[in-house]
Amino acid sequence: AQSVTQPDIHITVSEGASLELRCNYSYGATPYLFWYVQSPGQGLQLLLKYFSGDTLVQGIKGFEAEFKRSQSSFNLRKPSVHWSDAAEYFCAVPSDDTGRRALTFGSGTRLQVQP
Amino acid sequence: DAGVTQSPTHLIKTRGQQVTLRCSPKSGHDTVSWYQQALGQGPQFIFQYYEEEERQRGNFPDRFSGHQFPNYSSELNVNALLLGDSALYLCASSAGQGLSYNEQFFGPGTRLTVL
Repeated sequence: AQSVTQPDIHITVSEGASLELRCNYSYGATPYLFWYVQSPGQGLQLLLKYFSGDTLVQGIKGFEAEFKRSQSSFNLRKPSVHWSDAAEYFCAVPSDDTGRRALTFGSGTRLQVQP
Repeated sequence: DAGVTQSPTHLIKTRGQQVTLRCSPKSGHDTVSWYQQALGQGPQFIFQYYEEEERQRGNFPDRFSGHQFPNYSSELNVNALLLGDSALYLCASSAGQGLSYNEQFFGPGTRLTVL
């Protein structure tokens, strides 16, 4: 079964510093991959998605992610973190090759931003 | 354009009771998925409805049931509530079951507390 692992439960960075959140996937074929963000008391918002093609994907709010097949990774990056980026971040993969059905989420990484 | 809406926002029930949660999909969407997010965890897929039928189901007991109405809105019912059912319940909608991936848009969730 498809799965994703987020090794870091909690990360703290200083405002203005760069950020990288890790995601490793287990998937039989070329995966669809997603990063979602969840602010306190909010639902999930899609940051970016990878379907195929260019392995560097640009998303909203200045985030980007790079798909590396050799490392089974899809890490999320941001060059300069803002205080408003403090939230929970989830990596996700569809449950089947069609990408139309259920999403399987990682356990999340909570980002804290220090002033 | 209203996004995905869910009601109620919060709910408190006692063990053994039954609960119904409601979801209205984003305009133009006909597929609704439900997820359970326990505290500190990533969302877990419960089931998905399309054309008023359950199309896919996650690893949840039969106490969890659902329904989709002709206007595409959906209900999630949970019978014989357990303390472990306390969670944030998220609804997501997407547009159809075509060949290409259809992004899931999430609502803000219903926070269920079982005492």
